[in-house]
Amino acid sequence: DQQVKQNSPSLSVQEGRISILNCDYTNSMFDYFLWYKKYPAEGPTFLISISSIKDKNEDGRFTVFLNKSAKHLSLHIVPSQPGDSAVYFCAASKATTGTASKLTFGTGTRLQVTL
Amino acid sequence: KAGVTQTPRYLIKTRGQQVTLSCSPISGHRSVSWYQQTPGQGLQFLFEYFSETQRNKGNFPGRFSGRQFSNSRSEMNVSTLELGDSALYLCASSLGARRQETQYFGPGTRLLVL
Repeated sequence: DQQVKQNSPSLSVQEGRISILNCDYTNSMFDYFLWYKKYPAEGPTFLISISSIKDKNEDGRFTVFLNKSAKHLSLHIVPSQPGDSAVYFCAASKATTGTASKLTFGTGTRLQVTL
Repeated sequence: KAGVTQTPRYLIKTRGQQVTLSCSPISGHRSVSWYQQTPGQGLQFLFEYFSETQRNKGNFPGRFSGRQFSNSRSEMNVSTLELGDSALYLCASSLGARRQETQYFGPGTRLLVL
């Protein structure tokens, strides 16, 4: 049962344009969401997070939007750069776990930023 | 500051064998979590340790076990290996165990079971 879904396995965007990566979740108990980026042969790197009490969080070129009613979040990268080419994972956690970990991850979206 | 290190980086085993993977967290971090990554399944949570105690466990069979030492280093063990255990095993550390603390991942150990 995939509780966090990233339905697009891959995305190609031109340099300088906006990249939009989507993520859907099914468990209404999730209240904290994160995005990680992963390069080949490296572990995932934390990018940005959002709590369910917010609907938007920005950090430089990265913005995460949360639509709780639709159980949907998205990551916007503006402008996209070649160095952004990586696999992006959406993750979620719920308050009942009580710990920082036990993240539930999506299957990832491979972003390729072309020149 | 050195990042999370995992050893070995690559491992080949045969069915029925057991394997032990090691993780050294970032200095000062007391929480260590383990994840399994397989194609099509994303990262799946295995377990979390904090101050040598297992605080949380994912939905994996008892063949998967772990422990944490007093210096916060952690090991995970998989006994009676099956073909389906072939995966990238990732370790992550965080400073404490509060919910919104950032987890820092190591590069992973890639296990191939033949």
